[in-house]
Amino acid sequence: SQTIHQWPATLVQPVGSPLSLECTVEGTSNPNLYWYRQAAGRGLQLLFYSVGIGQISSEVPQNLSASRPQDRQFILSSKKLLLSDSGFYLCAWSVPPASPLHFGNGTRLTVT
Amino acid sequence: EDKVVQSPLSLVVHEGDTVTLNCSYEVTNFRSLLWYKQEKKAPTFLFMLTSSGIEKKSGRLSSILDKKELSSILNITATQTGDSAIYLCAVLSGSARQLTFGSGTQLTVLP
Repeated sequence: SQTIHQWPATLVQPVGSPLSLECTVEGTSNPNLYWYRQAAGRGLQLLFYSVGIGQISSEVPQNLSASRPQDRQFILSSKKLLLSDSGFYLCAWSVPPASPLHFGNGTRLTVT
Repeated sequence: EDKVVQSPLSLVVHEGDTVTLNCSYEVTNFRSLLWYKQEKKAPTFLFMLTSSGIEKKSGRLSSILDKKELSSILNITATQTGDSAIYLCAVLSGSARQLTFGSGTQLTVLP
């Protein structure tokens, strides 16, 4: 069966520091991969999605970037964090063309 | 721009009550509507609705899609404290790569 791993679970970083959040999926090939951010326990905002290795689509302009170096690995990065980057970051996967998204357990990021 | 609106934003009920959560949408090239339950961490998938008028059911939870009214409802009967969570509605549209979420309904079930 498919599983998704996301780490770390929580992170406290100072303003201006770099960020790297990692997500891996097991048990499936060529999934669509997604990064979402959730502020204040509410709706999810799509940040990036990827339909294949090296293929990244950005949904909102921001201080973040994403990469997909391997088929089942998705990384969210920042060179310099801002206070406004604080939030709950969720990685998700789906099987093309239109299956439900399945989420990882999320990373709670606090930028101080 | 795709839009998904949920109501109410929050709801407090007592155990045993029945609740109805609403979701309406305006999207380009609708594919399907999904419901998720989120407790403390990851949203967990509940239902995926593609066709109008066909009810999906899982235990005390059920959901139905009305494509004419561009809306869906999620019903929970005989609520329990364990049903307390944020319920998220999302719509899959376009090339099926885009999942747009509503802001969620915070349900609190009191003993």
